[in-house]
Amino acid sequence: GAGVSQTPSNKVTEKGKYVELRCDPISGHTALYWYRQSLGQGPEFLIYFQGTGAADDSGLPNDRFFAVRPEGSVSTLKIQRTERGDSAVYLCASSLNPTGFPYGYTFGSGTRLTVV
Amino acid sequence: KQEVTQIPAALSVPEGENLVLNCSFTDSAIYNLQWFRQDPGKGLTSLLLIQSSQREQTSGRLNASLDKSSGRSTLYIAASQPGDSATYLCAVKGGNEKLTFGTGTRLTIIP
Repeated sequence: GAGVSQTPSNKVTEKGKYVELRCDPISGHTALYWYRQSLGQGPEFLIYFQGTGAADDSGLPNDRFFAVRPEGSVSTLKIQRTERGDSAVYLCASSLNPTGFPYGYTFGSGTRLTVV
Repeated sequence: KQEVTQIPAALSVPEGENLVLNCSFTDSAIYNLQWFRQDPGKGLTSLLLIQSSQREQTSGRLNASLDKSSGRSTLYIAASQPGDSATYLCAVKGGNEKLTFGTGTRLTIIP
């Protein structure tokens, strides 16, 4: 597609529920990233995929968070047993390759997750 | 661990003025630095990407500079317009594959 697409744009869920957030990167981009942004803060790294594999998941806060990219294109971020502290905007980005050369990183519009 | 700082946190200037936003980073071993714009409730829009071998990039009224050795970058906006009002974020890419962001500068252009 022309840009990075994230769905849903907004998600309200009850504490303890399971949620899935979807990211559809730019076609041909091998690198895909998930970030989380809390109000008034810069985005914080969660996980990075190169192709189908998670090359770096060091930013995932705990084992309730998991992400997959089974065919090297669309990725899904999964959060189990959601907590109110998980409320944030979840951003997805893709790039042609991991170095970001030559065009840098393109971000989606994000999914605003609210846990009530 | 890379840390990125943006000062000031907020800035208000009258329309038409030129302005400079600052970004500093602690680890000079970076591959690139990217400036983004974020409008309220929206995602990030890429403005300029500077590779570590470059000293500046220009796009329209925007000019970004990079001084890797001192760990600094600036974003210069010429002839500011109300539509420039947004939060501006800088992000650096180091030896690992992730971007480290600053907390942003919230810019308001006063008509």
